[in-house]
Amino acid sequence: GNSVTQMEGPVTLSEEAFLTINCTYTATGYPSLFWYVQYPGEGLQLLLKATKADDKGSNKGFEATYRKETTSFHLEKGSVQVSDSAVYFCALIRGADGLTFGKGTHLIIQP
Amino acid sequence: DSGVTQTPKHLITATGQRVTLRCSPRSGDLSVYWYQQSLDQGLQFLIQYYNGEERAKGNILERFSAQQFPDLHSELNLSSLELGDSALYFCASTSGDGTGELFFGEGSRLTVL
Repeated sequence: GNSVTQMEGPVTLSEEAFLTINCTYTATGYPSLFWYVQYPGEGLQLLLKATKADDKGSNKGFEATYRKETTSFHLEKGSVQVSDSAVYFCALIRGADGLTFGKGTHLIIQP
Repeated sequence: DSGVTQTPKHLITATGQRVTLRCSPRSGDLSVYWYQQSLDQGLQFLIQYYNGEERAKGNILERFSAQQFPDLHSELNLSSLELGDSALYFCASTSGDGTGELFFGEGSRLTVL
């Protein structure tokens, strides 16, 4: 079946540091890949997505590139802010199976 | 605001009891998903409905059931509650066009004492 593996946190960084959250997946065929973010006390919301190999999703300074050869979709941001503190979920969708989520990575940004 | 409404936001009950969680999807969305989020299990897919019909089933216990009504709102029924059922239950909706973007409600936090 489909599965998503992401680094478990918490990940603690200082403001303006470079961020990478690793995500790898297992799926047959060509899934679409997503990063969702959950701010404290809120539901998940879509951060970015990529639907085919070599696509780059980007939003709010975050980027992730769909790497078919390494089955990865790592999330990056060049300079994080305190307001980026949240839980980040990598996810995939393949056909009619619905979204499969990773366990989430708790990111803490210190001023 | 995602457009997905969940009630109640918080619920405290005792073991052995039964509760119903309600979800109103975004206007026009035909597909509703239910997820359970707990500290140890992460975000677990429970069940999906599309236009009133069950579409997919995940790690949903037999003590749990759900349905989607003709007006497209959905209810998740949890019975014979156990301490371990304490979690945040999310509903999400999507138009079902296959793009995969889900719109999540703010969740219903269930505490079983």
